[in-house]
Amino acid sequence: AQSVTQLDSQVPVFEEAPVELRCNYSSSVSVYLFWYVQYPNQGLQLLLKYLSGSTLVESINGFEAEFNKSQTSFHLRKPSVHISDTAEYFCAVTSPFTYGGSQGNLIFGKGTKLSVKP
Amino acid sequence: DAGVTQSPTHLIKTRGQHVTLRCSPISGHKSVSWYQQVLGQGPQFIFQYYEKEERGRGNFPDRFSARQFPNYSSELNVNALLLGDSALYLCASSFGQRTGELFFGEGSRLTVL
Repeated sequence: AQSVTQLDSQVPVFEEAPVELRCNYSSSVSVYLFWYVQYPNQGLQLLLKYLSGSTLVESINGFEAEFNKSQTSFHLRKPSVHISDTAEYFCAVTSPFTYGGSQGNLIFGKGTKLSVKP
Repeated sequence: DAGVTQSPTHLIKTRGQHVTLRCSPISGHKSVSWYQQVLGQGPQFIFQYYEKEERGRGNFPDRFSARQFPNYSSELNVNALLLGDSALYLCASSFGQRTGELFFGEGSRLTVL
């Protein structure tokens, strides 16, 4: 069975400060990892993903995450946050080998609420 | 291009009633997944359908059922509603069943009184 732990339920930071949102996963098989963002009253949007290859993945709006297999982590970082980054962030895991090959089954963490203050 | 659309956006039901939630995937997407998001929690997987066949089922009781139509739209049905079914129900679509990259709708918020 797979699971995801997001260690911080809330992270308050000041604008232009760096931020790290932590995510650890548990899996006995290979994994695909994702970060999704949910703005208030909206659905989830994919922020970035790790499927294979380079362990450092980047989004178009300055976020990056690094897959660390030995530490089973996929922490999300941004060197300088903006007010508009205020949202809830979800880490998710699935496997290329889920039953029937279905990868619509994402296992989500409980989320981290990022609050950026001026 | 239109994203994933869900209806209704909000609804209120009483215990014991039945509810049907609807989802239209992005054009060209053949896979639809349903998730339940209880307040303060991450989304939990309910079902995945691909090419009108069920391809995955989460740990939900038989009161929950779903289907996918020839145009790839989908319905989620919940019978004998309980207070604990109050949640945001999210639909997500993807082109195939193996991409792992999902596009979510804004959800249907169900309140059970």
